[in-house]
Amino acid sequence: DTAVSQTPKYLVTQMGNDKSIKCEQNLGHDTMYWYKQDSKKFLKIMFSYNNKELIINETVPNRFSPKSPDKAHLNLHINSLELGDSAVYFCASSLRVAGYGYTFGSGTRLTVV
Amino acid sequence: KQEVTQIPAALSVPEGENLVLNCSFTDSAIYNLQWFRQDPGKGLTSLLLIQSSQREQTSGRLNASLDKSSGRSTLYIAASQPGDSATYLCAVSLYNFNKFYFGSGTKLNVKP
Repeated sequence: DTAVSQTPKYLVTQMGNDKSIKCEQNLGHDTMYWYKQDSKKFLKIMFSYNNKELIINETVPNRFSPKSPDKAHLNLHINSLELGDSAVYFCASSLRVAGYGYTFGSGTRLTVV
Repeated sequence: KQEVTQIPAALSVPEGENLVLNCSFTDSAIYNLQWFRQDPGKGLTSLLLIQSSQREQTSGRLNASLDKSSGRSTLYIAASQPGDSATYLCAVSLYNFNKFYFGSGTKLNVKP
């Protein structure tokens, strides 16, 4: 299946831990994104990579570090997790020009306790 | 800064009704506008993409319009079905920015 797949689907962890979320797309897209959806359902962009290069870095704490080993993968590592990090994190991909073929993964629900 | 607002926040209608979801945005210098559908526990599915030069797009029972000058878009759903129940999100992208600004969505419930 052609898709954007992210793992894990659910992640429950304690404050202070470090965790990673993985994302892979097999659509041949060259741009990948991380979005955060908070409890009020607002989706906000965090990062965007184009061909392994960081092109968008919104105001996100330094504890969040994206890593793109190749243009088909964009992982998100979070250090020293805090309660406020609890949210659903969505990975997405698209062709270079905004909007074309924009495809989302099914999300990772992160709960920090 | 681009702000996207969706009204209403929630809508409940009987099956078969035609309905309109509204989206407004503050910066009219958009590159395109996209309507998404989000089902509980799932990702977003793209429904319709309207380029800034277009006025509307249609797909099956869905029709989306765009009035860039007034900063508005509407999503029209004809003959609604229970399977249409989901949250509908509007998102706009600006020129030279490869990202979307999202509204908070309209949660639609179509009753059988």
